[in-house]
Order: sequence, then structure tokens, then C-alpha cells
Amino acid sequence: EAGVAQSPRYKIIEKRQSVAFWCNPISGHATLYWYQQILGQGPKLLIQFQNNGVVDDSQLPKDRFSAERLKGVDSTLKIQPAKLEDSAVYLCASSWGDRGPEAFFGQGTRLTVV
Amino acid sequence: GQNIDQPTEMTATEGAIVQINCTYQTSGFNGLFWYQQHAGEAPTFLSYNVLDGLEEKGRFSSFLSRSKGYSYLLLKELQMKDSASYLCAVRGGRSNDYKLSFGAGTTVTVRA
Repeated sequence: EAGVAQSPRYKIIEKRQSVAFWCNPISGHATLYWYQQILGQGPKLLIQFQNNGVVDDSQLPKDRFSAERLKGVDSTLKIQPAKLEDSAVYLCASSWGDRGPEAFFGQGTRLTVV
Repeated sequence: GQNIDQPTEMTATEGAIVQINCTYQTSGFNGLFWYQQHAGEAPTFLSYNVLDGLEEKGRFSSFLSRSKGYSYLLLKELQMKDSASYLCAVRGGRSNDYKLSFGAGTTVTVRA
């Protein structure tokens, strides 16, 4: 079974630029998560999808961050404009949901904003 | 919301036992997870508890007490490769809208 795929692995941008991350979850997984992990901290949930509906986005800075899940499969997370404090690893994870709640993570995208 | 607390760091000797505690507060509890994360890598799933009691899986065991909002991860026969961050995560909220939130992680250092 293929794992969660994310791209790019690394990205360096200047502040005020925009950036997008892509995630392809494990086939059949209904739940998809985007987390932000700042160095030395635990993952912080940005947005959680159930199929193509949003379950929770209470910690998503909606003035600059946006996310969508196309047809309940792939997902993109966008930051526009980026700030220095957005430097972090962005992790995508997926799970079956109630059929199997453990989440499986992709390798993440390490974003550096300079 | 959800509050999840765990110690920041722990150090132990190779071959020893270490217990990592996690306390949580959440509405609509629907499971507690432990993940291992090596530096520079993604978290990997270790264990899942939804009912009270102990779940054993090889050298790792996880315990849950829902009434106390408490869990621990027990690592036995520690090996150098067990040096990593251990993340406690809670699934909670409203039915059909459960969200998965993580604690800050406990960095375990295994010394020879």
C-alpha cells in the first residue's frame, strides 16, 4: 500500500511571496489532515477534512492560509503572503476515519521563509 | 478545545525502562494515540487506546484511564534507536467531527 505523498520536500521563499503544498493521501482514506510543526514543538492541526468537507479549521490563519480537497482525494495548502513565522514543516496525514482512526503521515514539506 | 500535557524531556540508560505520562482534557473523547518521531522525520504510529487498560505491543505498552484523563507509554529494554520524540495525541470533539490534536512531545534520550 502506497503511503501519503507530499511535495515539494523543501521550499525556500521570501516573505510576502506565496507557496503551495500538495498532498495525495492513502487510497480510500476519508480523513485528511494538515499540520504545522515548528521546530521543537508538536504538530498543530491547521485543517481536517472528512472526504471533501471541512471538519475543523479553527487554527487555520484564514487571512493568509487556504486549503482545499479536490473531489475528496488530493489536497493543496496555500500560504499567501508568507511571513517569517510560517517557517515550519507542513505535515499531511490521512486515516480511514471511524473504520481505522490511526493517522499515517507523509514526509512533510520543510518551508523556510527568509 | 483540547489540552494535552506531557513532559518535555526524559533521559534513560540503554536496557532500562522509561514511562512517559500524558494528561488530557477534551470533550467527546474518542481515542488516544502515541506516535514516535525521529529528528527530521515524520511521526509514525505506535499505539491506540480507546478503552481503559493496558495495550502491549512488544517492548512498548500504552495505558489509558478515561476517568482520570491520563495515559502513559512504557518503553522497556531501551535501545539507542529509541531516542526520539514521543507524541501523545487525542481524538475528540463531536461525533462524526472528531479532530486529532497532539501534545508538544517528550524527547527521550537513551544513553549507553
